Amino acid sequence: KAGVTQTPRYLIKTRGQQVTLSCSPISGHRSVSWYQQTPGQGLQFLFEYFSETQRNKGNFPGRFSGRQFSNSRSEMNVSTLELGDSALYLCASSLGLALSSYNEQFFGPGTRLTVL
Amino acid sequence: AQSVTQLDSQVPVFEEAPVELRCNYSSSVSVYLFWYVQYPNQGLQLLLKYLSGSTLVKGINGFEAEFNKSQTSFHLRKPSVHISDTAEYFCAVNDYKLSFGAGTTVTVRA
Repeated sequence: KAGVTQTPRYLIKTRGQQVTLSCSPISGHRSVSWYQQTPGQGLQFLFEYFSETQRNKGNFPGRFSGRQFSNSRSEMNVSTLELGDSALYLCASSLGLALSSYNEQFFGPGTRLTVL
Repeated sequence: AQSVTQLDSQVPVFEEAPVELRCNYSSSVSVYLFWYVQYPNQGLQLLLKYLSGSTLVKGINGFEAEFNKSQTSFHLRKPSVHISDTAEYFCAVNDYKLSFGAGTTVTVRA
């Protein structure tokens, strides 16, 4: 069974631009969660989608948004990029809602975003 | 909200020596704890988890962890490390989302 895939793996943008990252979960998984990883702030939860609905959200500004499609694939969008948005963005999928700890989250390799 | 503190940011260790990575958590009620490993340029992989039951949890690659409720700790151990265990290790708690510690970088030297 294929793992979680994320595209692109690397991305370079300039301040003020917007970016869209994509995540394809493991087949059969219905939940997709997004995390931001930076050297300064560590791993931080962005949001979780389940059955095309956002179920949980972290403390990030509205410039960060996402959506989930009927096939459970998810996209994350960041508008008006800032230098501080440079990070590794990780996607994780699980069978059920991540808030239920019995649903193990499987992580993708991440998208490395650099904002210049 | 629950939080996680990893007490060591870097742990150098010689090959075949034991290693212990320390993790403390703050908790209100139920606690679900996890250890993840991240190899360079890769995502996170689950090593083990504590949900309930036995306080000694065994995971993959020879790792184990002990849940200690009175000390609010969930330390990770491996009796004999290998060069391939060089990675970053994260302790996490599930509070409707995964909240991670700052990570511990383990460097195994020959």
